[in-house]
Order: sequence, then structure tokens, then C-alpha cells
Amino acid sequence: KQEVTQIPAALSVPEGENLVLNCSFTDSAIYNLQWFRQDPGKGLTSLLLIQSSQREQTSGRLNASLDKSSGRSTLYIAASQPGDSATYLCAVPNSGGSNYKLTFGKGTLLTVNP
Amino acid sequence: DGGITQSPKYLFRKEGQNVTLSCEQNLNHDAMYWYRQDPGQGLRLIYYSQIVNDFQKGDIAEGYSVSREKKESFPLTVTSAQKNPTAFYLCASSILRGYEQYFGPGTRLTVT
Repeated sequence: KQEVTQIPAALSVPEGENLVLNCSFTDSAIYNLQWFRQDPGKGLTSLLLIQSSQREQTSGRLNASLDKSSGRSTLYIAASQPGDSATYLCAVPNSGGSNYKLTFGKGTLLTVNP
Repeated sequence: DGGITQSPKYLFRKEGQNVTLSCEQNLNHDAMYWYRQDPGQGLRLIYYSQIVNDFQKGDIAEGYSVSREKKESFPLTVTSAQKNPTAFYLCASSILRGYEQYFGPGTRLTVT
């Protein structure tokens, strides 16, 4: 059974700092990995989807990397802003069958202080 | 605008009553999903559907039911058999055989 872990559970940084969020998964036979952002009381917003054949995916100040062999992904946020404050979730499709079911980590709560 | 809508945003019910949460998408996606989110826990899959008139149980289907009569609609009924129904419910969709899932704004259900 796939398990996804996100470290740290919470992170507080001053504005302008570069930061890294970590995601690890137990079964490396994945098709892709997806990073989401969730604001309090809101739904999830897809940030990046990185395919298993890719090592990196970039969108603006965000960069996601994937190392399947070690079961790890990182989300790098450059020049953080207060508007980046949210919970960040990573998710991978279940292995060994349907690739439509996602297993989520519990998230990292990011606070960027002005 | 393409997207996923969920209604209502907040829902209050008395214990013992069934309640139906709405999910509609105009993205022309074949697959749709229902997740439940509780504080301190990751999202958990309740039901998913890959095609009209077909759906499968997820990890926590007990006490829930769904239907998929139209491609764009995937309502979730929380029955009185669900022991802890108070939670935040999220609907999602994706292109069949594609992988990126898109989420709606969620419905917060409170049962007292």
C-alpha cells in the first residue's frame, strides 16, 4: 500500500526566503506526482504535475523535482511571499492497478511572514 | 469558464438524516472522484467513477452512496449509516487515462 509522507508538517519563514518542501512515497512504481496548494477552507489548486520520466517541472517561482528511485520529491519555492502562505500537498497515483486513485500526504502548512 | 462546482458550500444536518452533496463539472472529463478531508489527516477517497453509469468504492465508502447518470454530474449521498459524517468533502475530476486531477471548492458538512 502506497504511503506518502510530507516533512515538515509546518514551516514559518520570513518573506523573500527560498524554501524546500519534502514529499516521500513508499512505492516507487508511480506514473507521476502532483503538488497542490490548499488555502484555509478552500479546495485544492493543482500547482505542478511531474511525470515519472521527468526529473523536474517548473512553473514561475515553483520548481518540483522527482527522484523515483529514492521515493522523493521536493517543491522549491523561490523568493517566498506572504501570498504563498497555504498548505501544500503532494499526491501520487496508487500503484499496481488503476492510476486514477491518488494517495495524499498530510501536507505542509507554510506561513510566510511579511 | 471551465471548472468544477460544488454546492452548497456549507451544509448542516441532524443526525439520522441522509444528505446529498452536489458536484458538477464542465471540463468534459470522464473520471470523477469524491474525497473526504478531516483535520490532521490526508484526503481519503470515498468513491470514483471512470465512466457514466459506473463507479467504484474507494478506501472509505461505507455509509456513502453515489450515482453517475450524466458525465458532468457525480452527486454524493451521506447516509445515516455513516458514523462520523462531519467533514470537508471535495470533488475532483480528470481526463480518462490522464492523470492531473482538478478539484472543486468543497462542501463543509456538519452533522449534529
